Amino acid sequence: EIVLTQSPGTLSLSPGERATLSCRTSQSLTSNYLAWYQQKPGQAPRLLIYGASSRANGIPDRFSGSGSGTDFSLTINRLEPEDSAVYFCQQYGTSPALTFGGGTKVEIK
Amino acid sequence: EVQLVESGGGLVQPGRSLRLSCVASGFTFDEYAMHWVRQAPGKGLEWVSGINWNSGALSYADSVKGRFTISRDNGKQSLYLEMNSLREEDTAFYYCVKDSFSWHYFDSWGQGTLVTVSA
Repeated sequence: EIVLTQSPGTLSLSPGERATLSCRTSQSLTSNYLAWYQQKPGQAPRLLIYGASSRANGIPDRFSGSGSGTDFSLTINRLEPEDSAVYFCQQYGTSPALTFGGGTKVEIK
Repeated sequence: EVQLVESGGGLVQPGRSLRLSCVASGFTFDEYAMHWVRQAPGKGLEWVSGINWNSGALSYADSVKGRFTISRDNGKQSLYLEMNSLREEDTAFYYCVKDSFSWHYFDSWGQGTLVTVSA
């Protein structure tokens, strides 16, 4: 099973700043099969990024993903108060077990 | 618009059984794999089980293998999770999730149904 480690655990930033979230995998991912999800309190997760860098439908271009192999990142530019949420990464490069990272909480001051 | 509506959650005693259902709409159900993902209150996400489009491939997390059974009825556009021998550690929100194709990323999520296992 591929283990995903997200860091930092919590990120506290001001509106307008940039957030950089990290996701490291225990094995290199096939075809960069990594996705990012955003979960706001009381809501279901929402897909942000797939294939490490492709934005899902309707996701603002302030959100971008990058990385390959075992190191991936999610960048949120020009933070807005509505970006306050927990962000999870997920690998789908190795079937059948699909695994998630532990999450990074982004707080907007 | 894709909609996934779960039902069947509730309070159950350890060792008992529960069946979750999910009704899907807004897409061609029988073209996609489907999954159950759970989240204990205040915790992270855990993939529980997945089923391919024609029920020919089923997979389970080690934590539920032998106790949970996933199934689907394409005619009813429905996904199910039969949960037996429930444990307190199975307490969680259970999300019905649509795969983008087959064992890829999850592009649509239901709102979840809460299962509480407690004496």
